[in-house]
Amino acid sequence: GDSVTQMEGPVTLSEEAFLTINCTYTATGYPSLFWYVQYPGEGLQLLLKATKADDKGSNKGFEATYRKETTSFHLEKGSVQVSDSAVYFCALSWDGGSQGNLIFGKGTKLSVKP
Amino acid sequence: EAGVAQSPRYKIIEKRQSVAFWCNPISGHATLYWYQQILGQGPKLLIQFQNNGVVDDSQLPKDRFSAERLKGVDSTLKIQPAKLEDSAVYLCASSFPSRGLHNEQFFGPGTRLTVL
Repeated sequence: GDSVTQMEGPVTLSEEAFLTINCTYTATGYPSLFWYVQYPGEGLQLLLKATKADDKGSNKGFEATYRKETTSFHLEKGSVQVSDSAVYFCALSWDGGSQGNLIFGKGTKLSVKP
Repeated sequence: EAGVAQSPRYKIIEKRQSVAFWCNPISGHATLYWYQQILGQGPKLLIQFQNNGVVDDSQLPKDRFSAERLKGVDSTLKIQPAKLEDSAVYLCASSFPSRGLHNEQFFGPGTRLTVL
């Protein structure tokens, strides 16, 4: 079945460091891809998305490009801040019969130290 | 705009007891989802409603879990009887469906259930 695999955490970085969180997916076809973020004590929030191959999603300095060839959607940020400390989830979704049911990876916890 | 509301935020029960969670989606959102998030894992869909009808409940353990959305707005998820492995955060999400698009799901803060 469809699945999402993320790099395992936790990831600890110093402020202003470069961030990459790897995400690959397995699916028959070309789903939409998402990154959700969960800040401490809060609910999941959509960070960015891409709905077709070669699309780049971006928000709050984060970027991810939908790579069909490598079935990947890696999350990047050039300079992280302490406020970026959170758990990041990669997910895929179909617009088929389930009308957008999200399939999530296990999440990657990011801690940014001042 | 008010977000997705859930209650209670925390619940501790003993195994074999029953428990219910409540969700109020964002006004106007016809699609409502319940997810189970076990510690260290990503959320897993339990059930999806479109208005008051069930779209997908293929991963709902129907021998002990039930959910309803009688008037197409609020929803209740029930577990009876609870098992130790039901300890998790139960997330409710809602979205405004638009045919052919992958719509953003808005998540509530979740209910953390501990089964002793």
